Amino acid sequence: AQTVTQSQPEMSVQEAETVTLSCTYDTSESDYYLFWYKQPPSRQMILVIRQEAYKQQNATENRFSVNFQKAAKSFSLKISDSQLGDAAMYFCAYKGGAQKLVFGQGTRLTINP
Amino acid sequence: EADIYQTPRYLVIGTGKKITLECSQTMGHDKMYWYQQDPGMELHLIHYSYGVNSTEKGDLSSESTVSRIRTEHFPLTLESARPSHTSQYLCASSEHGGRNSPLHFGNGTRLTVT
Repeated sequence: AQTVTQSQPEMSVQEAETVTLSCTYDTSESDYYLFWYKQPPSRQMILVIRQEAYKQQNATENRFSVNFQKAAKSFSLKISDSQLGDAAMYFCAYKGGAQKLVFGQGTRLTINP
Repeated sequence: EADIYQTPRYLVIGTGKKITLECSQTMGHDKMYWYQQDPGMELHLIHYSYGVNSTEKGDLSSESTVSRIRTEHFPLTLESARPSHTSQYLCASSEHGGRNSPLHFGNGTRLTVT
């Protein structure tokens, strides 16, 4: 079975600076997608960014980008120019042939003004 | 901007009561899911459905049951609530079951059983 590991339970960053959230996963599949979701306090979980395993180019969405290392099974999220609204729980997730999303444990990100 | 709705948002109920958590989506998605999440913790899949009259148990064993009589509606029922059921329940849907199809989440129902 696939597993997703986020080794940083909590992270903090100064407003306007850059922070990187780590994620590793374990799978024997070659065709899969990886996702980062954001869950603000008491609000809806939303998709931040996704990456196809067959694409070598790292996905980017405005201030959010990933560093996808397929051989190392690593999928980190970089947030540039951090804003107060970025404060949330961030979940890394995997979706392969079983078509079910497998989540990591989450990282709580705090933005310091 | 949510197209997937969960009610109630918060529920406090006594042990032994029967409860139904509602989930509806207006996107016409075939795939729907229920996740259980303790505060600040990871999500665990407890039920999913790939279409009308199709329901499956997820990876985490749950005493709850679900039904899918209409595409847009995927309610979760607990016949006899217990304090161990206290948690947040998140409903989600996806356009299709493919690897690249992201999940769209509702706001969640935070259940407390006293």
